[in-house]
Amino acid sequence: AQKVTQAQTEISVVEKEDVTLDCVYETRDTTYYLFWYKQPPSGELVFLIRRNSFDEQNEISGRYSWNFQKSTSSFNFTITASQVVDSAVYFCALSESYTGNQFYFGTGTSLTVIP
Amino acid sequence: DTAVSQTPKYLVTQMGNDKSIKCEQNLGHDTMYWYKQDSKKFLKIMFSYNNKELIINETVPNRFSPKSPDKAHLNLHINSLELGDSAVYFCASSQVPIVGGQETQYFGPGTRLLVL
Repeated sequence: AQKVTQAQTEISVVEKEDVTLDCVYETRDTTYYLFWYKQPPSGELVFLIRRNSFDEQNEISGRYSWNFQKSTSSFNFTITASQVVDSAVYFCALSESYTGNQFYFGTGTSLTVIP
Repeated sequence: DTAVSQTPKYLVTQMGNDKSIKCEQNLGHDTMYWYKQDSKKFLKIMFSYNNKELIINETVPNRFSPKSPDKAHLNLHINSLELGDSAVYFCASSQVPIVGGQETQYFGPGTRLLVL
């Protein structure tokens, strides 16, 4: 079974629209860690956020926000007022251990922001 | 100055060869990683070293061996290369293991390996 599911393979939005990227994870552990990464068309990887299972507080960073809900095993990522530079593949990931072993990536969501 | 650098950027080689990819970080970080991204863009963590000690060793063939001569370097050696090893390999670093800390993780530009 997939540990991390990103059901949206591709999303297209028009610039300035808000968009939410879904991430659903599966774990039996009570302690775990969730991540989001960005991969622009240029190919590099960019770390965006880390969240541990004890911290359900939502995070906001500029136009980016993350909604962590343990009840639905989801860690969704919202971009407000999207811009062309947000076009990228976004990966959600889960780690079931403090050391980082059992680290699982989702398959990614490709976001295209149309000017 | 590049924070995390990898050499070479591109590597084309024949099946059966042995090759190395070098990674260096000038951020003073204690933790370094290797990731693999295959042709379908699937990402996978391969190894992580903290203070030159291996802390993550995911299921990868033992043909892959990381070597950390010092905290600033984590090189990846691959023996007996196979077609399936063709991928982009990313090196990364963080001050502490990314799972346990609040620090940001920084990635290198990637090394595109093509095995013919």
